[in-house]
Amino acid sequence: GNSVTQMEGPVTLSEEAFLTINCTYTATGYPSLFWYVQYPGEGLQLLLKATKADDKGSNKGFEATYRKETTSFHLEKGSVQVSDSAVYFCALSTNSGGSNYKLTFGKGTLLTVNP
Amino acid sequence: EPEVTQTPSHQVTQMGQEVILRCVPISNHLYFYWYRQILGQKVEFLVSFYNNEISEKSEIFDDQFSVERPDGSNFTLKIRSTKLEDSAMYFCASSQGLAGVGYEQYFGPGTRLTVT
Repeated sequence: GNSVTQMEGPVTLSEEAFLTINCTYTATGYPSLFWYVQYPGEGLQLLLKATKADDKGSNKGFEATYRKETTSFHLEKGSVQVSDSAVYFCALSTNSGGSNYKLTFGKGTLLTVNP
Repeated sequence: EPEVTQTPSHQVTQMGQEVILRCVPISNHLYFYWYRQILGQKVEFLVSFYNNEISEKSEIFDDQFSVERPDGSNFTLKIRSTKLEDSAMYFCASSQGLAGVGYEQYFGPGTRLTVT
């Protein structure tokens, strides 16, 4: 079956530090990969996505590259801000095995950025 | 910007009672979903709904659960007889197309269900 493994949190950084949150996956077929973010008191919002190997998704200074050879989709940001404090979820979906609909999520990583 | 809304934000119920969680998906979306997150665990898929029928469901979604789109705007999740282990945050989501080909699912803020 499909699964997503994220680095365990929480992650605490100072403002302007470099961020990496690791994500690896196992999947049947050819997955689409997503990073969702959940700010306090809000629902999950799509941060970025990639649908084929070597694609780079990017948004709000965050980037992630779809690496088929290492089955990874690590999230990076060069300089985090206090407003980036949130929970980050890596997720995938595939169009094989009769499952076209659902997202499979990682456990989430809590990021806290201090001024 | 259109958004998915959910009511109530927090529901407390006694074991064995029925609960209905409500969602209003984005109006031009065709696919609807329920997920849940037990505290400290992963967000888990429960069910997807398309063209007025269930298109996929997980093993969690047993006979105690049902979904309905009663009036073309609301999307509900009913738990017939709640158990303590149903305590979780329940998220509704909607999308224009299939996640399997890269369409974004838009999530609501969640309903926290507490079963006592």
